[in-house]
Order: sequence, then C-alpha cells, then structure tokens
Amino acid sequence: QVQLVQSGAEVKKPGASVKVSCKASGYTFTGYYMHWVRQAPGQGLEWMGWINPNSGGTNYAQKFQGRVTMTRDTSISTAYMELSRLRSDDTAVYYCAREGIRWFGELLSNWFDPWGQGTLVTVSS
Amino acid sequence: QSVLTQPPSVSAAPGQKVTISCSGSSSNIGNNYVSWYQQLPGTAPKLLIYDNNKRPSGIPDRFSGSKSGTSATLGITGLQTGDEADYYCGTWDSSLSALDWVFGGGTKLTVL
Repeated sequence: QVQLVQSGAEVKKPGASVKVSCKASGYTFTGYYMHWVRQAPGQGLEWMGWINPNSGGTNYAQKFQGRVTMTRDTSISTAYMELSRLRSDDTAVYYCAREGIRWFGELLSNWFDPWGQGTLVTVSS
Repeated sequence: QSVLTQPPSVSAAPGQKVTISCSGSSSNIGNNYVSWYQQLPGTAPKLLIYDNNKRPSGIPDRFSGSKSGTSATLGITGLQTGDEADYYCGTWDSSLSALDWVFGGGTKLTVL
C-alpha cells in the first residue's frame, strides 16, 4: 500500500537547522509531487511548499522562502525538508503528503493523500 | 488568520447530521477545487473529500462535500463518537501574486 514514513522527533536550539526525511513506498516516487505541511501545537495546518521528485523543482510558500529547502533522493524514494535559522515558533509537527491531481479541462484539482505520520520538531534553548 | 474561514467548533448528538462551512473568495474556492481532511486526536490528517465532492475509497457515504461560488461545505450524517476530530478544508489561493495552498483554520467536531 502507499505509505510515507518520516524520520523521528528532533530537538534543536534556536538558530540551528533541521532536516526531516519522508520515505515513500508502494508507488512510483517520481510520479507525484510531495508537499510539506506543518502544525504548531494546538494550531491548524500550514502549507510550506512542494517538490517535484522527478525534476527536483520546488515551490515554497512565501513565508518560508529563504529558510526552507526541499530536496529528494530518487534512489531511495525519499524526500527531505530542511528548515534553517530555527526559532521557537518553528516548534511544530511537520508532515509530508503526496499530491493527488486531476485535470478538468483547464482547471486542476489537487489533494493530499496519504500523509506521513508526522515529525515533531522542538526548538528550545 | 486563515484565508479560508471555518467555524471553530460544531457539535451534534450521535445519529444526527452536521455541516461544516468553508468560506473563501474568488482567488481560492471560487476558482479552484476543494478538498477536506479529518484529523483524529494525535494523528496525521486523512483525506475525506477531493474534487469538491468525491470520496476516496474507504470513506463512508456518511461524508459528503459540496461547493457553491466561494464557499464549500462538508456534511456528515449519522454521527458517531468516532467522528470526533478536527476538520480542515483546503485549496489553492492566488491572491498574493503567488500560488499557495491554503487551509481553513479547522473545525472541532464534538459528538455529544
């Protein structure tokens, strides 16, 4: 079955960087965009951006541009999200999610399915 | 402040029906398809509805989605205690000279 398995929890100090991995299985890794979404404690979902595993092309949410880098290793079907210059308000659970897509003429429908189990990143001095 | 507006909470008794609204604008819902996600306590979100109103395999027909203009609605009938969760709508938004995915703020469903 299609599955995304993420790396384990991390504790980082302010100013450091964190790199979270997302290993895909059960489908052709290069055939679907991968998105990253985070959720601060008690808060809602916040989209961070996507990576095209086939080309390596990326698109980041404006809020994270300059601090986030999404990469992939197609040989091991794994996507990565690295966030730098961490602050305390970056404390959150970070999820990867595979994009689904369907074209309706010129209109595009997208959705996220499945999601990884989440990786808790705690930023604390 | 989310671009998509959802009620913070809704509640209903077991067996009853509830609807959750998701209000946006022409830069998001008005010109894009909407999906809905269920997040049970302590777990990752799960896809409930895509293409505005389609259910993935395995999602019971108690869950339905609709869209009209710049608003979308998730409906749940025959409420069960296991439906207690946070629900999020999502779609693309093109209002900030970029194309970003946006989520609603989430709605907490309580089954009384």
